[in-house]
Amino acid sequence: LAKTTQPISMDSYEGQEVNITCSHNNIATNDYITWYQQFPSQGPRFIIQGYKTKVTNEVASLFIPADRKSSTLSLPRVSLSDTAVYYCLALNTGFQKLVFGTGTRLLVSP
Amino acid sequence: EAGVTQFPSHSVIEKGQTVTLRCDPISGHDNLYWYRRVMGKEIKFLLHFVKESKQDESGMPNNRFLAERTGGTYSTLKVQPAELEDSGVYFCASSQTSGGADTQYFGPGTRLTVL
Repeated sequence: LAKTTQPISMDSYEGQEVNITCSHNNIATNDYITWYQQFPSQGPRFIIQGYKTKVTNEVASLFIPADRKSSTLSLPRVSLSDTAVYYCLALNTGFQKLVFGTGTRLLVSP
Repeated sequence: EAGVTQFPSHSVIEKGQTVTLRCDPISGHDNLYWYRRVMGKEIKFLLHFVKESKQDESGMPNNRFLAERTGGTYSTLKVQPAELEDSGVYFCASSQTSGGADTQYFGPGTRLTVL
């Protein structure tokens, strides 16, 4: 299963755009890049998923270059409530189990 | 639509006792997963049910852990006898089967404390 690497932590101010980059050099053909968000005392919450190019939903955008060895989660105009841990995972369509790393702890300040 | 629910939210037991955790998946979801995070570590996969069958139980730590999903609806995870190192948060997730990368929806978790 593909291993992902992402920053341990990031700080931002309210209203800024936050980009979290994830490396996945050994990504497999049937791996999808999936991002989850987790608040304290809650379970992880699905944010966005993509295979290649760009995906956008009401919460975030996900950019995946052609070689798929990295991806960038973009959160536009963050607010205090976006303070959370963000996990980048490679979800294999065959195995279906999520392999969590340490995630990126995002702290948004006023 | 109701999300994934877990019971209890918190359980405190003594070493050697038995605890049973319950997970109710989203209605209609064939896939059910158990994960756990022990203190200071990452969230780890335990096992995966497809309906009532165990698809993958490669993450189960040892034979003190028994997971069941009778009838393919809710699932239970029993720890017997509990040890100190079993303390942590146990998450359940469920997903539909689409044939692709199925989105997993997580419950709030059960915090298990073994004294």
